[in-house]
Amino acid sequence: GAVVSQHPSWVICKSGTSVKIECRSLDFQATTMFWYRQFPKQSLMLMATSNEGSKATYEQGVEKDKFLINHASLTLSTLTVTSAHPEDSSFYICSAGTGVYEQYFGPGTRLTVT
Amino acid sequence: GNSVTQMEGPVTLSEEAFLTINCTYTATGYPSLFWYVQYPGEGLQLLLKATKADDKGSNKGFEATYRKETTSFHLEKGSVQVSDSAVYFCALSSHEAAGNKLTFGGGTRVLVKP
Repeated sequence: GAVVSQHPSWVICKSGTSVKIECRSLDFQATTMFWYRQFPKQSLMLMATSNEGSKATYEQGVEKDKFLINHASLTLSTLTVTSAHPEDSSFYICSAGTGVYEQYFGPGTRLTVT
Repeated sequence: GNSVTQMEGPVTLSEEAFLTINCTYTATGYPSLFWYVQYPGEGLQLLLKATKADDKGSNKGFEATYRKETTSFHLEKGSVQVSDSAVYFCALSSHEAAGNKLTFGGGTRVLVKP
């Protein structure tokens, strides 16, 4: 149980285009979903927290107009990287929160912007 | 603010060796503590957790004890296997942090050689 999927697992896009990443909780309902960014050989950096039906809360330094988060239902959240640039290339990971202090992580999406 | 510090890797061990990964934290209140593991090419998985002082989390032969007096949550395993090769992340979730946000340490890469 508690499986989180992400799609796509790997995406290459051209500079200036937008990319959408989906995060789904497959067998449970998630009241809260989180989006992280992980640079090579580094830790996870929380980008934003989203609750179903409300606007996402972004961490300091994260551009909300560039990283659009939509949490349409209790099982789906999307992250759209708008006008992507090479510096946005990274590994993006989502997680879904249930109950108290537990999060289940998706396998991640590797974004490469050329 | 909250922070987690863990020993830098990589840690290279032989099979059946003893593994310790140090983790210390700074947090307000009484956080819950976690160890997550990331196997090559996969997402993070919860390895074990402890939610109050002196609790011991254990799973798959790994153990960690919540030490409030030393603000530590060191991970140990008595006899590692090649399959334990992964990156290990120490994390905390503060009772006072909105939305169950996790704060991660930098991660420790462990390589177990046969």
